[in-house]
Amino acid sequence: QKEVEQDPGPLSVPEGAIVSLNCTYSNSAFQYFMWYRQYSRKGPELLMYTYSSGNKEDGRFTAQVDKSSKYISLFIRDSQPSDSATYLCAMSASNDMRFGAGTRLTVKP
Amino acid sequence: DGGITQSPKYLFRKEGQNVTLSCEQNLNHDAMYWYRQDPGQGLRLIYYSQIVNDFQKGDIAEGYSVSREKKESFPLTVTSAQKNPTAFYLCASSWNRFMTEAFFGQGTRLTVV
Repeated sequence: QKEVEQDPGPLSVPEGAIVSLNCTYSNSAFQYFMWYRQYSRKGPELLMYTYSSGNKEDGRFTAQVDKSSKYISLFIRDSQPSDSATYLCAMSASNDMRFGAGTRLTVKP
Repeated sequence: DGGITQSPKYLFRKEGQNVTLSCEQNLNHDAMYWYRQDPGQGLRLIYYSQIVNDFQKGDIAEGYSVSREKKESFPLTVTSAQKNPTAFYLCASSWNRFMTEAFFGQGTRLTVV
């Protein structure tokens, strides 16, 4: 079993749809939970991070963490074609960061 | 502008050659990292360095070497001992050990020819 599991997709949605991206993990020591967006042949860029359980909202993006279920989510509201990218979840304990394999998202106009 | 610069963007290596990937940052971050990205897999840690003149092996260090002589620079050498080096290599830096605000470079695509 991988330490971080993420559905690779691909996921295709129409413009304006609500997108839900998810990851599960097995290591209860993880304390910080991140979401990165990666465009093709580019480096990942940080979207947001959350400490421990709870929700965090930034514009059209909402991150949720449920440590009891070892499950994290990223919701994208009013999705735009410019949101088309690969989304990577990541989680860290001290000096240890693990990434999911990434979900490829396409938002069609 | 502050950031991380990786070079070259594309690199071709012949069998049996060593090649060095460059990573420079001007963010004044103490910690720097090298990751390898393969299709369908998450980023895997090769080496990391928390401070100048010190570095630690990650999960897949075999066939790779690094140095950290300056705070700004963390070059990665892919040696001939690395049996499957074709991949996308990413360098990152962070101001804290949890990498909550890690910055990534634009990557180097290494291909063995």
